[in-house]
Amino acid sequence: DMQMTQSPSSLSASVGDRVTITCRASQNIQIWLNWYQHKPGKAPKLLIYTSSKLQSGVTSRFSGSGYGTDFTLTISSLQPEDFATYYCQQGYTSPYTFGQGTKVEIK
Amino acid sequence: ELQLVQSGTEEKKPGESLRISCQASGYRFPNYWIAWVRQMPGKGLECMGIIYPGDSETRYSPSFQGQVTISADKSVATAYLHWNRLRASDSAIYYCARMTGDNGLDVWGQGTTVTVSS
Repeated sequence: DMQMTQSPSSLSASVGDRVTITCRASQNIQIWLNWYQHKPGKAPKLLIYTSSKLQSGVTSRFSGSGYGTDFTLTISSLQPEDFATYYCQQGYTSPYTFGQGTKVEIK
Repeated sequence: ELQLVQSGTEEKKPGESLRISCQASGYRFPNYWIAWVRQMPGKGLECMGIIYPGDSETRYSPSFQGQVTISADKSVATAYLHWNRLRASDSAIYYCARMTGDNGLDVWGQGTTVTVSS
């Protein structure tokens, strides 16, 4: 299986901070990388697809970039509702594996 | 409204069988792959497999091949996840999700909690 490695596994940040999460694929996946936000008791939510496209209805605070094996999710100014766990997922080849997640906590 | 509605919480004993469901509405069910995703307690998301309801083509993650069966019934716009013999390690939240043409999961069910305990 394709391996997806996120870093960091967790981070503490304050409201208003700029936050960056990285995701590395074990093989070249071109642009086929998605990002999700997951809050306890809720279903995951698609934020970014094909590396950099913002899903409809998602705030422009979120942005994505990257190609090949290295990808980044950026939250430009962290808001209280952004505290959650974030997952990357490759959409290049089945099975469409997820990263292990990055938990964003309040500092 | 575009949505996936999953069946309710299940409490089962080891060795029992179980089928959970995911009913779609608001879009053409046969035309989109459906994924099943597991979240074990305190752990991350795992893609178990996907099914194309149009022709029931199914692809399993190697970790789940032979452990579960994914199926779909176009006539009722519903996908299913089935276990023949549950184990305690199957205790988890299971989500279904619609896969777009870009292979993102854009619509999710609310999740089904499965608890397996003697």
